[in-house]
Amino acid sequence: AQSVTQLGSHVSVSEGALVLLRCNYSSSVPPYLFWYVQYPNQGLQLLLKYTSAATLVKGINGFEAEFKKSETSFHLTKPSAHMSDAAEYFCAVRINTGGFKTIFGAGTRLFVKA
Amino acid sequence: NAGVTQTPKFQVLKTGQSMTLQCAQDMNHEYMSWYRQDPGMGLRLIHYSVGAGITDQGEVPNGYNVSRSTTEDFPLRLLSAAPSQTSVYFCASRPGQDSKQPQHFGDGTRLSIL
Repeated sequence: AQSVTQLGSHVSVSEGALVLLRCNYSSSVPPYLFWYVQYPNQGLQLLLKYTSAATLVKGINGFEAEFKKSETSFHLTKPSAHMSDAAEYFCAVRINTGGFKTIFGAGTRLFVKA
Repeated sequence: NAGVTQTPKFQVLKTGQSMTLQCAQDMNHEYMSWYRQDPGMGLRLIHYSVGAGITDQGEVPNGYNVSRSTTEDFPLRLLSAAPSQTSVYFCASRPGQDSKQPQHFGDGTRLSIL
């Protein structure tokens, strides 16, 4: 079965430090990959997406992610954390399994310390 | 442009009651879906629709019904509410089933079953 694994349900960084949120997926076919962010009491908003073009994808708010096929990974990074980055982040994979369904990871909550 | 609109935002039900969660989108998207979000489990697909008149089950469909009489609306019905259905429900849409485009999410309905 296809799956998405986000390593670490909680990640804490200091303001100005590197943000690294990990995502690994299992898929036997090339997937579409997404990162979403969720702020309290809101829906999910798209940060960035990979759809088989450039492997390094830049998104909003200074985030970027690199698709590594050999590692089946799509980790999210940001060089310098800001207090406003505190939120929950979801990695998602869209695969054609008799219909294009999107599978979400369990989410990683990012805390940013002043 | 309202995007995806969900009503109500909050609801408390008693076990055994029924209710309908409303979802409407104004982007002329063919594909619509319902997810539930529970702590530590990410988003799980309940039902989805690839167009008006066509619906199918997702990962956790039991206890829920859907219909799609128009492109714009995709209501989710709880037939006989159970405490296990306490969750946050999100409706999402995208242009088409095989679209590379990300999903647009509503702000969610927070449902408590007593």
